[in-house]
Amino acid sequence: DAGVIQSPRHEVTEMGQEVTLRCKPISGHNSLFWYRQTMMRGLELLIYFNNNVPIDDSGMPEDRFSAKMPNASFSTLKIQPSEPRDSAVYFCATQGEMNTEAFFGQGTRLTVV
Amino acid sequence: SQKIEQNSEALNIQEGKTATLTCNYTNYSPAYLQWYRQDPGRGPVFLLLIRENEKEKRKERLKVTFDTTLKQSLFHITASQPADSATYLCALDRNTGNQFYFGTGTSLTVIP
Repeated sequence: DAGVIQSPRHEVTEMGQEVTLRCKPISGHNSLFWYRQTMMRGLELLIYFNNNVPIDDSGMPEDRFSAKMPNASFSTLKIQPSEPRDSAVYFCATQGEMNTEAFFGQGTRLTVV
Repeated sequence: SQKIEQNSEALNIQEGKTATLTCNYTNYSPAYLQWYRQDPGRGPVFLLLIRENEKEKRKERLKVTFDTTLKQSLFHITASQPADSATYLCALDRNTGNQFYFGTGTSLTVIP
């Protein structure tokens, strides 16, 4: 398995634009997490899906953020409209049913100018 | 609310020495604790897991301890090598489902 695949690796966008980050989880993993990492706040959990269903989205900072998991092999995190303070590295991570460890993707570095 | 603290200062040690990193938490009792390694530009990679009823866990040159009374975990790298230079993160389960709280990490540099 190629691991968790995120795209794009880097995204530079102008304030106000819509940004969509994508994640392909490891096949068979039924839990998916979206995290945001910044120097100031570290790794913050944004949303958690289990079996494609959003379980906890309490970490989503504002209504500008939304996430979907239409099937077991794909998830998106959308920011609309984007703001400079959204600049961070966004990670997708997945976890199998019997495992407690999380497998992280390479991350998407988002810069909003 | 829960709080997780790791060594706030970067840690520099000489090759061959033992590196010791600290993870302290407050306000709740995790069932297990994990340590991850993160290299620049990469996602965290799982290293070790220790459960609340375990005092110590080892894997090659790595050792983790978990003191639920002190609410502290120590992560040791023995015979450290320059290749061990990275940021190390501790993660605690949230007692609900599979979610974790992560610490902010400690940057380790092993000097040849």
